[in-house]
Amino acid sequence: QKEVEQNSGPLSVPEGAIASLNCTYSDRGSQSFFWYRQYSGKSPELIMSIYSNGDKEDGRFTAQLNKASQYVSLLIRDSQPSDSATYLCAVGGNNRLAFGKGNQVVVIP
Amino acid sequence: DTGVSQNPRHKITKRGQNVTFRCDPISEHNRLYWYRQTLGQGPEFLTYFQNEAQLEKSRLLSDRFSAERPKGSFSTLEIQRTEQGDSAMYLCASSPPGGRPDTQYFGPGTRLTVL
Repeated sequence: QKEVEQNSGPLSVPEGAIASLNCTYSDRGSQSFFWYRQYSGKSPELIMSIYSNGDKEDGRFTAQLNKASQYVSLLIRDSQPSDSATYLCAVGGNNRLAFGKGNQVVVIP
Repeated sequence: DTGVSQNPRHKITKRGQNVTFRCDPISEHNRLYWYRQTLGQGPEFLTYFQNEAQLEKSRLLSDRFSAERPKGSFSTLEIQRTEQGDSAMYLCASSPPGGRPDTQYFGPGTRLTVL
């Protein structure tokens, strides 16, 4: 059973700053990693996927993966108030996703 | 809108009643998943279908829960004799054939409240 941990508490960032989110996972054999954004009362929305070590950039989002350290991160550059949401880290494998509890991000105008 | 759809969006029921939720996946997505999410937690996997075959079930899916996907299109999730602990958001997701099965797209969810 994969365990995915997101330990940081709510993150408050000023508008225009960089928000940094971290996630660790326990199954060293995991191959697929995802970040989902979830607005309050809504369902998760896939924003990033990453499968190999290194960085992957998509617009203002950058995902970083380090399989040796079993660590995934998400950077949000030029944070906007619309980025205020809960960000869920998910690890894939065996036809299911295992999710962390999520990190709440609040962007302060 | 060609995304995953779920009905109803909200359901309030009394303890002991049966409820059924429906999920329509993205067209041509042959893989379909059900998850449950409670407040402050990430979604938890319940079950997985490939076409009409239910290939995996979580231990969270007690015998009061049953899921079907007749003809490999829409899916239903039924909860019998609901309990207050069943109150949660029930999420359906789908993924396309040929791609990575864990690249999943979620529907809007059905929020269940058991009184």
